Amino acid sequence: QVQLQESGPGLVKPSGTLSLTCAVSGGSFSSTNWWSWIRQPPGKGLEWIGEIYHSGSTNYNPSLKSRVTISVDKSKNQFSLKLISVTAADTAVYYCARTGYSHSFDIWGQGTMVTVSS
Amino acid sequence: DIQMTQSPSSLSASVGDRVTITCRASQSISSYLNWYQQKPGKAPKLLIYAAFSLQSGVPSRFSGSGSGTDFTLTISSLQPEDFATYYCQQSYSTPRTFGQGTKLEIK
Repeated sequence: QVQLQESGPGLVKPSGTLSLTCAVSGGSFSSTNWWSWIRQPPGKGLEWIGEIYHSGSTNYNPSLKSRVTISVDKSKNQFSLKLISVTAADTAVYYCARTGYSHSFDIWGQGTMVTVSS
Repeated sequence: DIQMTQSPSSLSASVGDRVTITCRASQSISSYLNWYQQKPGKAPKLLIYAAFSLQSGVPSRFSGSGSGTDFTLTISSLQPEDFATYYCQQSYSTPRTFGQGTKLEIK
């Protein structure tokens, strides 16, 4: 069974860069799935950040597009998120997720909390 | 962007109750509607995809219906483990968007 695990710094300084990695285990990364990043500020709802296909094709949320890059490393079975020029508003739990049937998010990582603070 | 609006935002119910949560899209999304359950400190869990298809391993007391702009999630007989926050999400187009959530609490 496929499992996802996020990793990366839990604290980022304002105006800095948030970088996270999602390791995919238990299955083939080069499948017909898209792979997404989703975030959730404390006490708030879910926001889709963007997605990547194993070929490297991406789709981003327009609200974040100017600051976001999602990339893939098939040799390591992982994909990554980079968010530049962060502010306190980017403080959130960041999840990686697999897109399954009907573009639903059928498998999620456990999430990693990232705080933007000096 | 397609806006997703859930109602109610919160709901109190008792074990054994039948509960319905509604989700409305700002434009037609056909049947590209998914439902998730989230418990505190945990990642969301997929319950229903494509409006009415039950995800593998999800109890049959959960069901979904609707198409176009109006959708419902029904829990036929609430169990103690069902008290959580529920989100709808459209997968008709990008950006993928979620409803604001419905918090289901014990009465």
